[in-house]
Parts: sequence; structure tokens; C-alpha cells
Amino acid sequence: ETGVTQSPTHLIKTRGQQVTLRCSSQSGHNTVSWYQQALGQGPQFIFQYYREEENGRGNFPPRFSGLQFPNYSSELNVNALELDDSALYLCASSFGGTSTDTQYFGPGTRLTVL
Amino acid sequence: AQSVTQLDSHVSVSEGTPVLLRCNYSSSYSPSLFWYVQHPNKGLQLLLKYTSAATLVKGINGFEAEFKKSETSFHLTKPSAHMSDAAEYFCVVTPLYGAGSYQLTFGKGTKLSVIP
Repeated sequence: ETGVTQSPTHLIKTRGQQVTLRCSSQSGHNTVSWYQQALGQGPQFIFQYYREEENGRGNFPPRFSGLQFPNYSSELNVNALELDDSALYLCASSFGGTSTDTQYFGPGTRLTVL
Repeated sequence: AQSVTQLDSHVSVSEGTPVLLRCNYSSSYSPSLFWYVQHPNKGLQLLLKYTSAATLVKGINGFEAEFKKSETSFHLTKPSAHMSDAAEYFCVVTPLYGAGSYQLTFGKGTKLSVIP
């Protein structure tokens, strides 16, 4: 088990609603990355936060936004939910945001959009 | 840009026999390569990583992978499968340096089944 925790575990929303997912980093880590994993697919990179600043972003629309707090925990916010947003959302923490820094993943939040 | 192709969506082996999960990659820059494992209802766990040191990389639980630049491959092997190895395995690439080095690019995964 890593020290990365996510809440809630499961969530059901309806189309058009907004959702906030939360992630607590492993102790000592200053970087959080978020990924979306659709059923039967590999995770896709959404964005990364390093020391409270967005460090990079994948191919996701602006309605996907995030925050990182001074204690390095993080939130993922999704506005105007669509059916295709149904997925497992994973966060990963690391010390540093480069390729040589191992990312440690949390168990994920399963979002269902009806 | 980088991408990963996992050549088998499902691999089935008998307990005690060797495991081979195949991965080819594409990267505009020198790559870092990883294998992660995902057990049902669990988070992704790092098995091993290659970051330009020795081309044969040893990981946890007896797994290893060999980086072959000429073949753009990073296949995962294990000499003898255990029942506990049954899971989904992901090959991952990222540029070692420069733009996008923060972004892990995952393959679609290979589901490993182990038959008693």
C-alpha cells in the first residue's frame, strides 16, 4: 500500500452536475498528478501540480480543473459532467515531477455519471 | 510525442510456467519506461522502471524487463508464474528529459490469467 489516499471511493452524479475529488499525497511528496482510466483502458494523464502550480496538462477540456494546497494535497474538479466522464480517477504523488521520479498511485475514485 | 503498444490484451499461463508480456514503445526523445500492475480494486503498483542505466531491469516479485533500443521494446518476464500474479499489467513511457517528462503515457493493458 502506498501512502496516497483518495476520497470518496465511489460517486454517482447526473449529467451537467459538478464534482470534486480529493487526494492526499504520500508524506514528503510535493507533486500530484491526476489520471482518468475509462473501463478497459489504460490511465490517461489529465494534469500535474508541482508546489501548488500546474506543471503540465494533457488533452482534457478546461472544465477539468485542479488545485494543490500548501500541504500538497490536491483536488480535481469537473464541471458540466458528461456521460463519458464516467471512469476511475487516479491520483499519484511523487517527490518531483520528472520522469525519474516514481509516481505512487492511490486506489482511485470511481465516478459514475447518469 | 510518445506512445505504447501492448501486443496482447490477454495472456493466460499455467502456474509455474514462464510469463512474457510484450510492449513496444515510440518516443521522440530517450525514454523512461515502466511496468505497473493493477490488482482488482487496488491502486497501480510500480513493478520496475528503466531510466537509462542497465538495460536489464529487475523489479519486485521476480519480474524483470529488458530495454532493447533497436527493437523499441520493453518486454516483461517472470520465470515462474504464481496465482497471485493474476492482474492487469501496464507498460508506460515518458521522455527522460524535456517537454512532457512529467506525463506518463500508458498502454491499454494486458490482463494476465494464471491457471492452477
